Formats: sequence, C-alpha cells, structure tokens
Amino acid sequence: QKEVEQNSGPLSVPEGAIASLNCTYSDRVSQSFFWYRQYSGKSPELIMSIYSNGDKEDGRFTAQLNKASQYVSLLIRDSQPSDSATYLCAVNEGGYNKLIFGAGTRLAVHP
Amino acid sequence: GAGVSQSPRYKVAKRGQDVALRCDPISGHVSLFWYQQALGQGPEFLTYFQNEAQLDKSGLPSDRFFAERPEGSVSTLKIQRTQQEDSAVYLCASSLGGNNQPQHFGDGTRLSIL
Repeated sequence: QKEVEQNSGPLSVPEGAIASLNCTYSDRVSQSFFWYRQYSGKSPELIMSIYSNGDKEDGRFTAQLNKASQYVSLLIRDSQPSDSATYLCAVNEGGYNKLIFGAGTRLAVHP
Repeated sequence: GAGVSQSPRYKVAKRGQDVALRCDPISGHVSLFWYQQALGQGPEFLTYFQNEAQLDKSGLPSDRFFAERPEGSVSTLKIQRTQQEDSAVYLCASSLGGNNQPQHFGDGTRLSIL
C-alpha cells in the first residue's frame, strides 16, 4: 500500500513568517510530486510541481525534494492570512499518472 | 471553458437510487481522472481515462461504480444503488496526457445519500 504522510496540523504561523510544510512518501519509484492548496469547501488548486532533487522556487513558494530520503516539503515565505488553507501533498504512484494524496496539513496564518 | 467543469455541484439522493455525475475536462486534455474525497481526507483515486480508454479502474470501491468517456471528452461517473457510505465529494481532474503531467481539478460534486 503506497502511502503519503503529512502532519495534519493545524500549523499556526504569524503573518510575515515562513511556513514549512512537510511530506514523506513510501513509493521509491515515484517521479512527480505536487503541492495543492485547498480552501474549505473548494477544490484542490495546483500550486507547485517538482520532479528532480533540490529546490524549485515560484514567487513566495519553494518546493524541496529529496528522493533519497523520500521527502518533499513546501516553504511559504511572507505568509499571509489568505494562505490559510489545507495543503495537500500528492505523489504519482509507480511513476504513472495515478496520484496518491496525503491527508493534508491545515495552515493558519494569523495577523 | 477555461477549467474543468463538473455538474451537478450538489446532489442529494435517497439510499438505493442511481446517480450520474458529469465532468467536462479542460479542452485538449487527453487524460481524465476521478477521485473521491471524504471529509478531512485527501482525494482518493477512483479511475483514469486516456482519451476514451479506461486504463485504470483499480480505485473503484465496488461494482456499483461505473465510469465512461465514450468520445474521449466528457466523462460520467455513475453510482448504482447508492449507499450512505458513498456520501463524499467526487472530484474530476484532467491533464495534458503522458506521465507526470500536473492534474487540474474541477469544483467537485458533493454527494449526500440519505
């Protein structure tokens, strides 16, 4: 059974701080890794994709991947109250298209 | 349209009724996926189409669940003889096709079985 693990939170950070969200996965042959943001009652929204070891930056977001440790993380710089949402980590299973999701980490950014 | 479109947004049915959920993917997207999301959980894979071919249906929870995409565009997820445990949000996603492409989700259908 392929698994993706995330801390459920809530992760509470003050406005302007860096939020760090972590995810581990069990499938060693996974090739693609995604972070989705999901506001309450809304659908998942893709915010980052990463395919190779290292860091990938896009605006205030940085995704980090370490395949040896089977670990992927998302950093959100200068956190805003509008970043408050559940962040879902998703990993493709067996290198194919099927995505396995974690249960999500709830982030709360307080003014 | 610009994004994945799902209908209806909300569906209430009595236990034992059949329901049909529709998904219209992003234009040009070859791959289409159905997921089920329970409250407080991440989406769980149900089935996957590439064009009209259903390549993976390993996530369908029972033979009461059936999905089709006859012309390689719009897809329908049908649930027969609904049970209370079928209550969930059903999400459709599409992607360009090929391995490792990002999937883009529709707003989902919230299904409630009474």
